[in-house]
Amino acid sequence: GAVVSQHPSWVICKSGTSVKIECRSLDFQATTMFWYRQFPKQSLMLMATSNEGSKATYEQGVEKDKFLINHASLTLSTLTVTSAHPEDSSFYICSASSYEQYFGPGTRLTVT
Amino acid sequence: AQKITQTQPGMFVQEKEAVTLDCTYDTSDPSYGLFWYKQPSSGEMIFLIYQGSYDQQNATEGRYSLNFQKARKSANLVISASQLGDSAMYFCAMEAPSGTYKYIFGTGTRLKVLA
Repeated sequence: GAVVSQHPSWVICKSGTSVKIECRSLDFQATTMFWYRQFPKQSLMLMATSNEGSKATYEQGVEKDKFLINHASLTLSTLTVTSAHPEDSSFYICSASSYEQYFGPGTRLTVT
Repeated sequence: AQKITQTQPGMFVQEKEAVTLDCTYDTSDPSYGLFWYKQPSSGEMIFLIYQGSYDQQNATEGRYSLNFQKARKSANLVISASQLGDSAMYFCAMEAPSGTYKYIFGTGTRLKVLA
């Protein structure tokens, strides 16, 4: 089956720094990738839709200048959390789409 | 607007018993897809089962089956012969809008299987 990886699986950073999370589709090409955020004991909330070679489309309420998304190729999308603060601590999950969504294993971000 | 509702925040089931997790949805699209995912404590989203709105039969995948009642807009997940490893969070999802590959998720049901 289709495999999607995320790196890193967990990261701790200091407040004010930026963190980059990578999402790769390992065995298929994904024209569209999605980024979700999940707070503890809550559901997945879609943050943005990223299409290869074009600007990401952000969901209402998501700060595009804070969560920078780059979809450089058909197998790689990155999410950069800029000037991270403790309230950005969350579980970030990406998915890659090829007729259906295949989810990555997630990245747990803790901002101290 | 499309919406997914899961009204059971938590469920208990005895090992080897069957359990039904409820999911209702709302959409005006005539064509849509419904999904169930399992999320164990590790966080990964595990695809369980899919039902298309035009599928005539209820979807089944091993111990998982989907009780699809289109008129009632419900897509309940049935897990038969529960196992301890089934303890996890379960999410119902729908592609919304249709054709976008975007999913909206319900709030989830935490299932605990008792030995």
